[in-house]
Amino acid sequence: EAQVTQNPRYLITVTGKKLTVTCSQNMNHEYMSWYRQDPGLGLRQIYYSMNVEVTDKGDVPEGYKVSRKEKRNFPLILESPSPNQTSLYFCASSLGLAGGITPSTDTQYFGPGTRLTVL
Amino acid sequence: RKEVEQDPGPFNVPEGATVAFNCTYSNSASQSFFWYRQDCRKEPKLLMSVYSSGNEDGRFTAQLNRASQYISLLIRDSKLSDSATYLCVVRRLDSWGKLQFGAGTQVVVTP
Repeated sequence: EAQVTQNPRYLITVTGKKLTVTCSQNMNHEYMSWYRQDPGLGLRQIYYSMNVEVTDKGDVPEGYKVSRKEKRNFPLILESPSPNQTSLYFCASSLGLAGGITPSTDTQYFGPGTRLTVL
Repeated sequence: RKEVEQDPGPFNVPEGATVAFNCTYSNSASQSFFWYRQDCRKEPKLLMSVYSSGNEDGRFTAQLNRASQYISLLIRDSKLSDSATYLCVVRRLDSWGKLQFGAGTQVVVTP
């Protein structure tokens, strides 16, 4: 089954304790992205990756790191989490630009989300 | 000003009625537009993409007005299952990888 998986789904942690949220897709997608969703603000892009070893900042990258060492995985790293990073996080992937800009290549598939609470 | 703005609603719609709502975007370099549906803070799912003037898929019609910089979504013959939050998403020509999301419009279809 084609899917994007995230782990953990729920996490409660304390300020300053490094954590990693994993994201994996089995669709051979080039493009992957991380978002956070907060009430009233919608989804905001944290980082995205056009392909392996290529990552770029989104609109809210501060306090986050990512890596793209292999095509299927795009982990989100919080080196020193703070309470303002409490949020719902989504990972997403799409085919990317290799196939041109078409509805199928542009469609983003989202993971189920990770609810993070930083105390 | 936010780059993508939506009326948060809720739009309360009787079953079978038609509802329409808009999404405005501020950056004229915006190229691709999408409507995603999100249920109760679950993962968003693509409803439709819009690259030219509009798109239609069954009961759903999206129309793009580049001159006034807005995109609309119309739902005909509303079903109870259409109750959800509809997210407007915009991709700019100058940065394909970046996506801008609106905060969403809530639609509640009532029996």
